[in-house]
Amino acid sequence: NAGVTQTPKFQVLKTGQSMTLQCAQDMNHEYMSWYRQDPGMGLRLIHYSVGAGITDQGEVPNGYNVSRSTTEDFPLRLLSAAPSQTSVYFCASSYTARTVNSPLHFGNGTRLTVT
Amino acid sequence: GESVGLHLPTLSVQEGDNSIINCAYSNSASDYFIWYKQESGKGPQFIIDIRSNMDKRQGQRVTVLLNKTVKHLSLQIAATQPGDSAVYFCAEIYPPNDYKLSFGAGTTVTVRA
Repeated sequence: NAGVTQTPKFQVLKTGQSMTLQCAQDMNHEYMSWYRQDPGMGLRLIHYSVGAGITDQGEVPNGYNVSRSTTEDFPLRLLSAAPSQTSVYFCASSYTARTVNSPLHFGNGTRLTVT
Repeated sequence: GESVGLHLPTLSVQEGDNSIINCAYSNSASDYFIWYKQESGKGPQFIIDIRSNMDKRQGQRVTVLLNKTVKHLSLQIAATQPGDSAVYFCAEIYPPNDYKLSFGAGTTVTVRA
């Protein structure tokens, strides 16, 4: 029972490089989302998806793109990495888009460093 | 995110004692609150939730209290164990954004043997 799987666990990028953080869930969850976690700031929502083919912006979307071509996968793309994107990134999913009574399940994160 | 905050960034507790972790929120329209636990190197894990029409909810060794008058939320952990050492986050949802969680900054709980 894998739950939410994120790859890679660690990544170092140089400024201007691009990369994709992978997220997959095997629970047939409708809702998926990406958060970033920075010291002293809790988790902030980057992008989310309420179902395949549907995505929307969270509170800190700039510099990131997402797509949801399947129910299982929700990759996060950094188009041109910047030092300000150094953070720990978490993917989360829930059974329904309404998080009330459908708590988020989180992956174990990707630690990204941009130099 | 900024509307949800925790009173203290760190809490040190003697093993076997009860822990109380506090959280203040500023959005009076928030109608659902969740506590998450995050252990080192892992993602947050759901602990317990409470709706705004309730004052108290109990789980296994944990109790969440909600005081809507002063917009305060607390998590009580009974008989704290070493495995309870973690960062604890409160999160809220307020309509119409019932698919977006707003998280506080977190409280780091350290259990002393």
